[in-house]
Amino acid sequence: DAGITQSPRHKVTETGTPVTLRCHQTENHRYMYWYRQDPGHGLRLIHYSYGVKDTDKGEVSDGYSVSRSKTEDFLLTLESATSSQTSVYFCAISGSTEAFFGQGTRLTVV
Amino acid sequence: ILNVEQSPQSLHVQEGDSTNFTCSFPSSNFYALHWYRWETAKSPEALFVMTLNGDEKKKGRISATLNTKEGYSYLYIKGSQPEDSATYLCAFSTGAQKLVFGQGTRLTINP
Repeated sequence: DAGITQSPRHKVTETGTPVTLRCHQTENHRYMYWYRQDPGHGLRLIHYSYGVKDTDKGEVSDGYSVSRSKTEDFLLTLESATSSQTSVYFCAISGSTEAFFGQGTRLTVV
Repeated sequence: ILNVEQSPQSLHVQEGDSTNFTCSFPSSNFYALHWYRWETAKSPEALFVMTLNGDEKKKGRISATLNTKEGYSYLYIKGSQPEDSATYLCAFSTGAQKLVFGQGTRLTINP
């Protein structure tokens, strides 16, 4: 299995609070991604990174920010969580071929 | 925004039957087309990565074809088994390696 872990695995938070999800890899892959998974939508790209301090927006980036200060860590932050951000979040990494996914983080905003 | 479409959205197949579904993607700026298998409560797992027009890949009873000129890929499953029940995702990438996924085809195999 590819060395990719997400933390936390589950989180319940209140509307308006900040939340940070962490993705950690041990594969030294250049590309890292954050997706959200919602019924009927498959996986939708939030943000991705193509190197340390190099990030770009995906199709559903509003309300999210990311940071990558080290190759191995990619952080996703919800500055002020809303109920519409209740979802399962997947981190992925890729080198030159296929992507490998983390176990997912189930986030509930109440 | 790149658009990747998969059809059908869901499919019920009798055990032993063969089936196939489609992934449509933009034909310009093509770099690679990926297929993933995603079982409930697990992470997506890579099945195939295809880069060349006309590519055909096979893994056991599952195979895939690629047509980059017209922008589609087919995934075939021969002799479906209950363990094939999963959501099958395709993803398209340009040279920037940014993976854009379709919404998936949810396959259910009826015993």
